[in-house]
Parts: sequence; structure tokens; C-alpha cells
Amino acid sequence: DVKVTQSSRYLVKRTGEKVFLECVQDMDHENMFWYRQDPGLGLRLIYFSYDVKMKEKGDIPEGYSVSREKKERFSLILESASTNQTSMYLCASSFAGSQGDEQYFGPGTRLTVT
Amino acid sequence: DQQVKQNSPSLSVQEGRISILNCDYTNSMFDYFLWYKKYPAEGPTFLISISSIKDKNEDGRFTVFLNKSAKHLSLHIVPSQPGDSAVYFCAASEGFTGANSKLTFGKGITLSVRP
Repeated sequence: DVKVTQSSRYLVKRTGEKVFLECVQDMDHENMFWYRQDPGLGLRLIYFSYDVKMKEKGDIPEGYSVSREKKERFSLILESASTNQTSMYLCASSFAGSQGDEQYFGPGTRLTVT
Repeated sequence: DQQVKQNSPSLSVQEGRISILNCDYTNSMFDYFLWYKKYPAEGPTFLISISSIKDKNEDGRFTVFLNKSAKHLSLHIVPSQPGDSAVYFCAASEGFTGANSKLTFGKGITLSVRP
């Protein structure tokens, strides 16, 4: 079974702090993604990566950066956390070129910025 | 501008009856469509998908229909069970490789199946 793990299920940080969210997948997937989920807004793509050291902006990249130094690990960085970044953060991964683009999601990290 | 729209935020059906979840899209470059199911405090899980070259795909109790001319797809669940109660997301893709690998999601529909 594909396993996507995220470093924390719950996180509380203060405004202005630098926050790192880590995601690891164990299926040798080329693609990795970071989303945030907010009530009434669905899943919105922040950044994705289709290869090591490659990154592409999603729909809402402002205030975030990412790092992918190894194939299995994709990190989301909040350079200076703000209260409007309080959200559920979901990481996902998928094979490149696979029929269907099925993405496998981690359990999510509930981040609260106070 | 939302490219994938799920206009009904919620749906309630009786156990054993059919659930029909609708989804509309605006981007004519989308060629693959997926449905995901999400329980609270868990990540979404893949449910069923359909390629733009088909108009129907079936998997057990779940069937997805695609009407390309109307840019509309629907998910049918028959019969509905209480365990189907979850948030359902419609998603679409323009391709499978490189920068096209991303999915665009709708806002989701909360399905409640009453016993």
C-alpha cells in the first residue's frame, strides 16, 4: 500500500514564526503536492513538484515556499506564519505519466497560527 | 475563476436510495476526471475516475458519467449506505506528465446517508 506520511497531525505556531511541514512517500512517486483545505473552499493547490529539485506554483503560492531535495520528501515552508494560514494542510503524491493521475494523500496537518 | 464547480454544498439521501453528485467544469483542456472521498480528520482517498474518451465508468456501487458537450459529470452511488457519508470532491486534469500533472479540485459536496 502507498503510504504518505506527514510530520505532524496538529501544530500550533505563533505569528511570524518560520514553519516547516514535512511529507514523505514510500512508493517512489515522481510527483508530490501540497494543498490546503478550508471550509467552503475545497482543496487548493499551493505548490507541486514533478521531479527532484523541480517545483511549480499552484493556485495560492503566496506566503509559502517548498523544497524537494530527495525524491521521497517534499517540504512546505511558511516563511513568516500569519493567522490567515491557519488551515488543514494535505500532502499528496502520484506517479508521473500514470493513467488517471491518482494522487495518494497523507492524513493532513491541522495548523493553527495564533 | 473556478474551473471545477460543485454547486451544491450538501446532499442528504435515505439509505438504499440513489445518491447523485454533480460537477461542472469550464476548462475544455481537461481530459481526465476523478472523484475523491474524504472523511473528517483523514486525507482524501481516490474513488473512481473517467477519461474524456469515455462517457461512463462503473466500479461496484459507484458509476461516473461524463457529458463532454455539457462539460458536466456526475457520480451515482447505488445503493447508498450510511458509510458513504463523507465529503466528495470532483477533480480534473489536463494531462499526466510534468507541469500538467496537477489536479484541479472542486469545493466538495457533503453527502449524508440517513439510516
